Amino acid sequence: RKEVEQDPGPFNVPEGATVAFNCTYSNSASQSFFWYRQDCRKEPKLLMSVYSSGNEDGRFTAQLNRASQYISLLIRDSKLSDSATYLCVVNTGGGNKLTFGTGTQLKVEL
Amino acid sequence: EPEVTQTPSHQVTQMGQEVILRCVPISNHLYFYWYRQILGQKVEFLVSFYNNEISEKSEIFDDQFSVERPDGSNFTLKIRSTKLEDSAMYFCASNSWTGGYTFGSGTRLTVV
Repeated sequence: RKEVEQDPGPFNVPEGATVAFNCTYSNSASQSFFWYRQDCRKEPKLLMSVYSSGNEDGRFTAQLNRASQYISLLIRDSKLSDSATYLCVVNTGGGNKLTFGTGTQLKVEL
Repeated sequence: EPEVTQTPSHQVTQMGQEVILRCVPISNHLYFYWYRQILGQKVEFLVSFYNNEISEKSEIFDDQFSVERPDGSNFTLKIRSTKLEDSAMYFCASNSWTGGYTFGSGTRLTVV
């Protein structure tokens, strides 16, 4: 089983749509969870951290289910500028090493 | 907003040559990292560095790789004898104890 698994997509959605991404992780000792955004040939940029209680930042909502080892990201009212690859990222163990999923590509269209 | 700065943005080198990739982490950060991303693949951890020593490294980070913090600001990744398969985007990152990572904009290494 991959350490962090994501559906690679692409997800092609019209502007204004709601889209959800899912991610599973294999290591139950994982401590911190994040969604990063990566534009083509650019560096990953932190979108939001993910907490067990769920957290929201504007149009973005992230959820964590530790029992199922499952992380989700919901984007509401998607915009053309949301087109990017969304990376599910997990911090495992005592160090600060991040383990990345392969990413889910989102294309928002007119 | 503070940035992690990487130079050069693109490096082309011949197979077997040594390359040094340079990074200037955010000044008050304590942890420094190198990651790489082969085109079309996921971002992979190479090495973490804390308190002037390697704290963790991956299987990728073999004897051909080394890191150094030669002064108070720079953090370098050296590849001693480059191979074709070392061609990738190399990202430097830093963070403080509690903060999230900040990645640099990367160095695209092309080995020919």
